[in-house]
Amino acid sequence: DIQMTQSPYSLSASVGDRVTITCRASQRISSYLNWYQQKPGKAPKLLIYAATNLQSGVPFRFSGSGSGTDFTLAISSLQPEDFATYYCQQSYSTPRTFGQGTKVELK
Amino acid sequence: QVQLQQSGPGLVKPSQTLSLTCTVSGDSINTGGYYWSWIRQHPGKGLEWIGYISHSGSTYYNPSLKSRVTISIDTSKNQFSLKLNSVTAADTAVYYCVRDNWVGTTNWYYFDYWGQGTLVTVSS
Repeated sequence: DIQMTQSPYSLSASVGDRVTITCRASQRISSYLNWYQQKPGKAPKLLIYAATNLQSGVPFRFSGSGSGTDFTLAISSLQPEDFATYYCQQSYSTPRTFGQGTKVELK
Repeated sequence: QVQLQQSGPGLVKPSQTLSLTCTVSGDSINTGGYYWSWIRQHPGKGLEWIGYISHSGSTYYNPSLKSRVTISIDTSKNQFSLKLNSVTAADTAVYYCVRDNWVGTTNWYYFDYWGQGTLVTVSS
């Protein structure tokens, strides 16, 4: 199985901050990397697919970059509704695997 | 708008079978280009992919659960289902049904529509 490791585990930030979350795969996965946002008690929501593609309806302050083994999710200006947990997920091979999550909290 | 609606019991006794159904609306489950997955999340933990089924009935299961899992599809009802047998307390989790979107030209896959989640507790 491909192991996905996110960092940091959690972070504290203020509204308006730029936030970055990294995800590292245990082997090269090209651009087969997706990002999700999950709020408490809700299902995850797709933000970015194939490393850099913004899902329809997702605000432009979210962006993704990277390929191979190292990936980044960036939020250019954190908004109150962005406080949540973020997961990366590889779709290079089965079984599909997720990172452990990064919780973005209000400072 | 595609919607996935889950149904099934929230309490299952140890050693019994967990059964959940997902009804898809807004699109035909028989449309090519999609796989239909189940994902679970243990309380306060991360996400674990259980497996998927295609519209033609092809399946793939996570090896960690393969011996206990069956995913089936009923295209006439636009539904797919999960069965997990011989459950223990370790199977207590929120279970999600999910559409796995496959872009054939690039071989991209991503989970774009999710059910509401069902908390299944394994307890006597």
